[in-house]
Amino acid sequence: GAVVSQHPSRVICKSGTSVKIECRSLDFQATTMFWYRQFPKKSLMLMATSNEGSKATYEQGVEKDKFLINHASLTLSTLTVTSAHPEDSSFYICSARVPGTLHYNEQFFGPGTRLTVL
Amino acid sequence: GDSVTQMEGPVTLSEEAFLTINCTYTATGYPSLFWYVQYPGEGLQLLLKATKADDKGSNKGFEATYRKETTSFHLEKGSVQVSDSAVYFCALSRNQFYFGTGTSLTVIP
Repeated sequence: GAVVSQHPSRVICKSGTSVKIECRSLDFQATTMFWYRQFPKKSLMLMATSNEGSKATYEQGVEKDKFLINHASLTLSTLTVTSAHPEDSSFYICSARVPGTLHYNEQFFGPGTRLTVL
Repeated sequence: GDSVTQMEGPVTLSEEAFLTINCTYTATGYPSLFWYVQYPGEGLQLLLKATKADDKGSNKGFEATYRKETTSFHLEKGSVQVSDSAVYFCALSRNQFYFGTGTSLTVIP
């Protein structure tokens, strides 16, 4: 149980275009999802916390107008990188918190999306 | 604030060698502690976890014990295999996750 999927797994786009990444919880309802960014050979950096039906909470230094997050349902959160530039190239990983006490404080991670902006 | 300090890598070991990757944490209260593994080009997979002091998490021959007195959660494996080559992340969780910087492990035959 507690499987999180991401789509696409890899995407290459031209500079100036927008790219949407989907994060889905497959067998549970996730009221809270998280978006991370991972630079090469670096740890994960939390970008934002996505709450179903409300605005995302962005971490300091993350441009909310550039990284648009929508959490329209209990099983889907999307991250849209708008007007992408080469410096946005990175590995983006989402995770979801499983409600209830059995997995208290635990998050389940998606497989990641490799974004390359040319 | 909460944080995780993880042993710097990279670590290179011969097959069947003993592995230790050190992890210490700073947190108020009683966080849950995790080890995640990331294989090349993939996302994070939960390796093991511990939710309270003195708990031992174990999986696939890996072990880590939640030591509150030393604020540590060191990862150990008695005999590594080539297939264990990956990056290992220590993490703590209260309201959000805090990750260590990751330790790259390469096991050579």
